[in-house]
Amino acid sequence: EAQVTQNPRYLITVTGKKLTVTCSQNMNHEYMSWYRQDPGLGLRQIYYSMNVEVTDKGDVPEGYKVSRKEKRNFPLILESPSPNQTSLYFCASSLSSPTPYSSEQYFGPGTRLTVT
Amino acid sequence: EDQVTQSPEALRLQEGESSSLNCSYTVSGLRGLFWYRQDPGKGPEFLFTLYSAGEEKEKERLKATLTKKESFLHITAPKPEDSATYLCAVQADTGGFKTIFGAGTRLFVKA
Repeated sequence: EAQVTQNPRYLITVTGKKLTVTCSQNMNHEYMSWYRQDPGLGLRQIYYSMNVEVTDKGDVPEGYKVSRKEKRNFPLILESPSPNQTSLYFCASSLSSPTPYSSEQYFGPGTRLTVT
Repeated sequence: EDQVTQSPEALRLQEGESSSLNCSYTVSGLRGLFWYRQDPGKGPEFLFTLYSAGEEKEKERLKATLTKKESFLHITAPKPEDSATYLCAVQADTGGFKTIFGAGTRLFVKA
């Protein structure tokens, strides 16, 4: 089954304790992305990756790191989490389409993170 | 600055009462406009992609249209199972492949 998986689904942690949220896709997609979703603000893009070893900032990258060492995996790293990073996080992937087109994204089930 | 605004924030309809959701966008160059549906506690699910003004796409009770400044998602004779949050997103044709989402419209359809 084609899917995007995220782990963990729920996480409660304390300020300053480094954590990693994993994301994996089995569709051989080139493009992967991380979003956070907050009430009233919608989905905001944190980082995206066009392919292995190619990453770029979205609109809200501060406090986050990513890496793309393999095509299927795109982990999100919070080196020193703070309470304002409490949110619902989604990973997504898509094919890369030739300019000027773009492709729809497939989303994971989400990770609910609470930082106290 | 690239921006996406959706209205209304919430919409309550009776079953069978048709209506439209609006997505206004400001981008330097549009690569694509996307509509997604999101059910509570789940990730967004793809509905439509539109690329150029005048384009229309349909799927069951949903029809998406695109102009140079906005997109509409028309819902014809909705059913309770159409209740969800509908999200609009754009990818701009400038400086990378950022995706910008609107805040969404929560749709409630009562039987």
